[in-house]
Amino acid sequence: DIQMTQSPSSLSASVGDRVTITCRASQSVYSYLNWYQQKPGKAPKLLIYTSSVLRSGVPSRFTGSGSGTDFTLTISSLQPEDFATYYCQQTYSIPDTFGQGTRLEIK
Amino acid sequence: EVQLLESGGGLVQPGGSLRLSCAASGFSFTDFALTWVRQAPGKGLEWVSSISGSGAGRYYSDSLKGRFVISRDNSKDLLYLQMNSLRPEDTALYFCAKVDGPDSSGLYSLGYDFWGQGTLVTVSS
Repeated sequence: DIQMTQSPSSLSASVGDRVTITCRASQSVYSYLNWYQQKPGKAPKLLIYTSSVLRSGVPSRFTGSGSGTDFTLTISSLQPEDFATYYCQQTYSIPDTFGQGTRLEIK
Repeated sequence: EVQLLESGGGLVQPGGSLRLSCAASGFSFTDFALTWVRQAPGKGLEWVSSISGSGAGRYYSDSLKGRFVISRDNSKDLLYLQMNSLRPEDTALYFCAKVDGPDSSGLYSLGYDFWGQGTLVTVSS
């Protein structure tokens, strides 16, 4: 199985900050890397797929990059609604594994 | 509008069985693979199982050790997860999700683009 490791596990930031979350795969997943946002008590929401493609309706302050084993999710200017937990997921190889999550909290 | 609605969760004793259902609407059901993802209380997301659009391809997490069976009824737009020999560590919120991708196999997907609200399974004596 491909292991996905996110860093940091938690992050405190302020509205307006630029934040970056990193996801590393234990082997190459090419560009089959997706990012989700989850708020408490809600289902995850797909933000970005195949590393860098922004899903329709997702604000442009979210950007994804990377290929192979190293990926990043960047939020350019945090908004109050962005405080949530973020997960990366590889869909190159079954099982479709998720990272452990990064909890983004208000400073 | 795409909608996925899970049902069938509840409290079950260790060793018991439960069948989850997921009713889908708003998309061409057989054109997409579907998946089950679970989330234990306070924990992260764990992929459980996926099934291709035709139902021919079925994939499972190794951690389930053959206890769960995924299926779909393409005549009724329903997805199922039959869970047997349940253990306390199976306690979780179970989500069904639609798999986006280049075809209906569920492989090399473009992520899970629509999710249900989840159904809670609690395994306890």
